[in-house]
Amino acid sequence: DTAVSQTPKYLVTQMGNDKSIKCEQNLGHDTMYWYKQDSKKFLKIMFSYNNKELIINETVPNRFSPKSPDKAHLNLHINSLELGDSAVYFCASSQGFGWAQHFGDGTRLSIL
Amino acid sequence: TQLLEQSPQFLSIQEGENLTVYCNSSSVFSSLQWYRQEPGEGPVLLVTVVTGGEVKKLKRLTFQFGDARKDSSLHITAAQPGDTGLYLCAGARGADGLTFGKGTHLIIQP
Repeated sequence: DTAVSQTPKYLVTQMGNDKSIKCEQNLGHDTMYWYKQDSKKFLKIMFSYNNKELIINETVPNRFSPKSPDKAHLNLHINSLELGDSAVYFCASSQGFGWAQHFGDGTRLSIL
Repeated sequence: TQLLEQSPQFLSIQEGENLTVYCNSSSVFSSLQWYRQEPGEGPVLLVTVVTGGEVKKLKRLTFQFGDARKDSSLHITAAQPGDTGLYLCAGARGADGLTFGKGTHLIIQP
């Protein structure tokens, strides 16, 4: 069984559209994260959720909004997509802050 | 924001050679984690070092955490083509989550 799964794996869409990426973890972890990896492979944290509370909200545009319906899911909704949003988005989970993180395989977002 | 400087950024060596990757910061971290990422996949944890001066070995990989818990190194002995990948160090500091270095792209040529 996949520990952290995110869908879709590929997402190609036009500028201005709204899209969502889903993430689920079956590890029973308390904390989930969203990262953005740019073309140079730099991983930057966007959000983290601990027990359904937003803990970290880095300086990302408010067009990005994380939504956690329960402890096992953390979805990422993006409004009004821009060209600069093209990147690979990774979901991850861990037992708590500072613990080893388990990553999904990423969602490759391309904005036309 | 704490910064983690990773070096070298790119490294291409022949099979059988040894190499060391460095991860340095001016900040103290409660732990330092090393991940390896292959194309099309997410990073996978290799090791976590917690105690200053700690050394951990994973087959041909040796990880060290600096005494002051600000830096770490990864040494690979007798590198093999299967070691090719992106190596990422990440520092943990409480509720701030992980801060990742920019990664080392390693290519081992047969």
